[in-house]
Amino acid sequence: QKEVEQNSGPLSVPEGAIASLNCTYSDRGSQSFFWYRQYSGKSPELIMSIYSNGDKEDGRFTAQLNKASQYVSLLIRDSQPSDSATYLCAVNENGGATNKLIFGTGTLLAVQP
Amino acid sequence: GAVVSQHPSWVICKSGTSVKIECRSLDFQATTMFWYRQFPKQSLMLMATSNEGSKATYEQGVEKDKFLINHASLTLSTLTVTSAHPEDSSFYICSATLRAGGYLNTDTQYFGPGTRLTVL
Repeated sequence: QKEVEQNSGPLSVPEGAIASLNCTYSDRGSQSFFWYRQYSGKSPELIMSIYSNGDKEDGRFTAQLNKASQYVSLLIRDSQPSDSATYLCAVNENGGATNKLIFGTGTLLAVQP
Repeated sequence: GAVVSQHPSWVICKSGTSVKIECRSLDFQATTMFWYRQFPKQSLMLMATSNEGSKATYEQGVEKDKFLINHASLTLSTLTVTSAHPEDSSFYICSATLRAGGYLNTDTQYFGPGTRLTVL
């Protein structure tokens, strides 16, 4: 059973701080990694994708990938109350052969004003 | 780019009726569309994978005769919940991946806004 693990939280950080969200996955063949944000009652929206080891930055968001450790993380700098949401880590199944994503259960982030 | 719409955004129906939900990719052609269900405070659950012109592939435990999926074109997939019952009340979300050749990644899933179904 291929899995994606996330701490369910809630992760509480003060406004302006860095929020660090972590994810581990079991399928060594995975090649594509995604972070989605889901506000309560809404559908997921894509934040970032990452395919290569290392860091990828987009505005206040930085995704980090370490395939050897099967670990992917998301850093949110200068956290804002509007960042409060559930963050879903997703990994492609079977190296993309099926086009399906395996989702973690999500980490609830609460940014305190 | 990569906009996916769903219609309706919410629906209330009586037990025993059928409900059709549409999922459209507005600015790209979708190779594959996925249908998910999400109960309150739970994770996304993949129901089925749908490719244009092919029969949908259902996940284990999902009744294909109850959840009918039609993928008529590269921009439209429909999910029909037949003989809906209160336990089918949930948030139904579709996603789409891009057909190769466009400017977007072909393995990224772009989600629609979801349809909230309430069966009385």
